[in-house]
This record gives sequence, C-alpha cells and structure tokens, in this order.
Amino acid sequence: AQKITQTQPGMFVQEKEAVTLDCTYDTSDQSYGLFWYKQPSSGEMIFLIYQGSYDEQNATEGRYSLNFQKARKSANLVISASQLGDSAMYFCAKGGMNRDDKIIFGKGTRLHILP
Amino acid sequence: DVKVTQSSRYLVKRTGEKVFLECVQDMDHENMFWYRQDPGLGLRLIYFSYDVKMKEKGDIPEGYSVSREKKERFSLILESASTNQTSMYLCASSSSPGLAGDNFFGPGTRLTVL
Repeated sequence: AQKITQTQPGMFVQEKEAVTLDCTYDTSDQSYGLFWYKQPSSGEMIFLIYQGSYDEQNATEGRYSLNFQKARKSANLVISASQLGDSAMYFCAKGGMNRDDKIIFGKGTRLHILP
Repeated sequence: DVKVTQSSRYLVKRTGEKVFLECVQDMDHENMFWYRQDPGLGLRLIYFSYDVKMKEKGDIPEGYSVSREKKERFSLILESASTNQTSMYLCASSSSPGLAGDNFFGPGTRLTVL
C-alpha cells in the first residue's frame, strides 16, 4: 500500500532561520507527482510546491524548495529565511498519473516560528 | 475566482441524523475527493470519484456513502451520524492527481455530531 511518512509532528524554529520538513513515500508507481501544502489555522489548503517524478531539477518556488531524492523516496521541503507567517501545518502528498488515481497525504508537521 | 465550494463551513448535527455534505467545482474536473482531517492523523481519504456515477472507496469508507450524479457535484452522505464522525471534512477536485497546479481544495466543513 502507498504511504506518505512525515516523521516530525511538530517543530519550533527561530525566525529567519531555514527549516527542513521531512517527507518520505512508498510507491511502486513509475510516474507520480509530489506536493507540499500549507494549512494555516484558518483551515484552507494552500498549494506550495510540486515535483514530478521525472523532473531532473529540484523544484523551487520563491522561499520554498523541494529536496527530491528519488532513489531514497524522499521529498523534503526547505523553507529559507522563515517568517512568522510560516507558522502552520504542512502536509506532504503524492498523486498518481492514472485517471483513477488518488492523492494521499502524510500526517503533517506543525511548524512554529518563534520571534 | 471560486473553484471548489462546500455547502457549509460549520455544521452541528445530532446522533442518528442523516447528513449531506455538498461539494461543487467549476473547473470541469473529472476527479473529486472527500477527506476527513483529524489531529495527528492528517487527511484520510474517504471516497473518490473519477467520473460521473463512478465511485471508489478510500481508506476509511465505513459509515459514509457518496453520490456523483453530475460532474461538478460530489456529495458525501452520513447515513446515521455518530459522534466519532465529528471532524473537518475537505473536498478536492483534480483533472489529474499527479500533475502540478491541478488539485484544488474547498474551504472545509467542520462537522460536530452531538
């Protein structure tokens, strides 16, 4: 069965420091997409960054980058220069490329940025 | 700019009631999903649908059913609500779950069953 593992239930980081949120996944799919979402206390799911399994370059979106190591099946999110507004729940997710595929999620990491 | 809407943000029901949670998307997506979110458990897939009148069980379908009569609408039904179904329910739609920028979530419905 496919599974997403986020081993850090909670993290505390000083403002302006970089932070890495871990994500590993288990799949036998050849093609797939990996995602990170941010969920602030208001509850909406905000898409942050995407990595396709065949993308050779690691994805970057502003202060977010994805450290993709396919052989290790890991897709860690790196946030550079953290800000107070980064305090939220972060979810790693995987989607398949087939028509009847689903999106599966990890249990999330709650990130607290300290002033 | 609204893409995925859910019928209620907050809902309070009594044990044994039949509950309908509605989700509508305006992007002509084939795939739609219902998740429940509980602290420490992340998002768990209840049901999903990849076409009209098609439905597939997710990881925790027990106690739920779904209906997809039209492409844009995916309903989650609690036939007889129980207190352990108190949760946040999130709907999502997608044209292809594995592609970037193609997965959209609704704002969520926080359901309390008394």
